[in-house]
Amino acid sequence: EDQVTQSPEALRLQEGESSSLNCSYTVSGLRGLFWYRQDPGKGPEFLFTLYSAGEEKEKERLKATLTKKESFLHITAPKPEDSATYLCAVQAGGTYKYIFGTGTRLKVLA
Amino acid sequence: DGGITQSPKYLFRKEGQNVTLSCEQNLNHDAMYWYRQDPGQGLRLIYYSQIVNDFQKGDIAEGYSVSREKKESFPLTVTSAQKNPTAFYLCASMEEGRKNIQYFGAGTRLSVL
Repeated sequence: EDQVTQSPEALRLQEGESSSLNCSYTVSGLRGLFWYRQDPGKGPEFLFTLYSAGEEKEKERLKATLTKKESFLHITAPKPEDSATYLCAVQAGGTYKYIFGTGTRLKVLA
Repeated sequence: DGGITQSPKYLFRKEGQNVTLSCEQNLNHDAMYWYRQDPGQGLRLIYYSQIVNDFQKGDIAEGYSVSREKKESFPLTVTSAQKNPTAFYLCASMEEGRKNIQYFGAGTRLSVL
């Protein structure tokens, strides 16, 4: 069965304290892995998509990486405005559907 | 500006009432989706549509119905058969092809009176 597991469920960091969020997946033929940011009461905002193991994408303080079993979202020197829930999703080959993880709630303290 | 518009932002349903959530997109995407989000749970797929006049049930379709008469519009009706409708509802459309990226609207929060 296709499955996505995110860890930790919640993470508190001091401003400037770098860390990583994990997304482990089991899927039949990965077509793509997607990272989103969601602020409270709002829709998810697209961040990155990764398609094959070894691929990396960067945007400001965020860097996403992908292996055959998991993806990491690295946050370097986070700021309070990085506080949000980060969602991971995978798309299996031959489907139009995403499978979402339950997200990691990140809180960055000033 | 291109995007996905969901309305209303907040909606209240009375017992036995059907309510309809609107989703409109001007991104020229063929595929559209409805998700339900509950606290502590991931997004769960209700219905999706790959093309006009065609749609498929997702994982939790019971108590919901949809239509896709126009490419731009994919309304969701929450029927009285849905006994626990309180949730945050999200509509998305997908840019097909190599990227297959889903873009989301701002959501509708549905509560029961």
